[in-house]
Amino acid sequence: GAVVSQHPSWVICKSGTSVKIECRSLDFQATTMFWYRQFPKQSLMLMATSNEGSKATYEQGVEKDKFLINHASLTLSTLTVTSAHPEDSSFYICSARALAGTTDTQYFGPGTRLTVL
Amino acid sequence: SQQGEEDPQALSIQEGENATMNCSYKTSINNLQWYRQNSGRGLVHLILIRSNEREKHSGRLRVTLDTSKKSSSLLITASRAADTASYFCAPNRDDKIIFGKGTRLHILP
Repeated sequence: GAVVSQHPSWVICKSGTSVKIECRSLDFQATTMFWYRQFPKQSLMLMATSNEGSKATYEQGVEKDKFLINHASLTLSTLTVTSAHPEDSSFYICSARALAGTTDTQYFGPGTRLTVL
Repeated sequence: SQQGEEDPQALSIQEGENATMNCSYKTSINNLQWYRQNSGRGLVHLILIRSNEREKHSGRLRVTLDTSKKSSSLLITASRAADTASYFCAPNRDDKIIFGKGTRLHILP
């Protein structure tokens, strides 16, 4: 099946610093990628939809200036958490939508655990 | 966008028994997907069923879809300890996936 990778798998940073998370579709092209955030024992919350070559679409309540998304190519999207604070500590998961004929499937990355001290 | 709602929220069964989880949604869909998430890990795509299909099998998994009732079920037969995870359904209309709370399945030894 299609593979999506994320890098890094975990990161610890100091409050006030910025952290970049990469999401790559390894064996397929993805015109659309999605970023989710998951707090402990909760479901995944969609943060934004990222389309290659255009601006991301953010969900209500998600600060676009804090969570910068860049989708520079058909295989790479990045999420940058700017001026991170402890409340940004979470599990960040990306997904990439693959088009297979007339059926599209979202494949998820393994996630990145962010801890802000 | 679509959101699926899974039922029950939590399920504990003995190893070897069958586990059934249900999903309801509200509007029309093109397909419905089921995902599994082990604790602290990413999501694994289990199975996709199209809107014109009523039942689909994959190994120990059996998925049904009733578009008239806007519901789906996931059956895991002969459960194993490794099936312990959270399961999410994803009704899809070629749009973004909004996840429900999922079903937390716990397989007892």
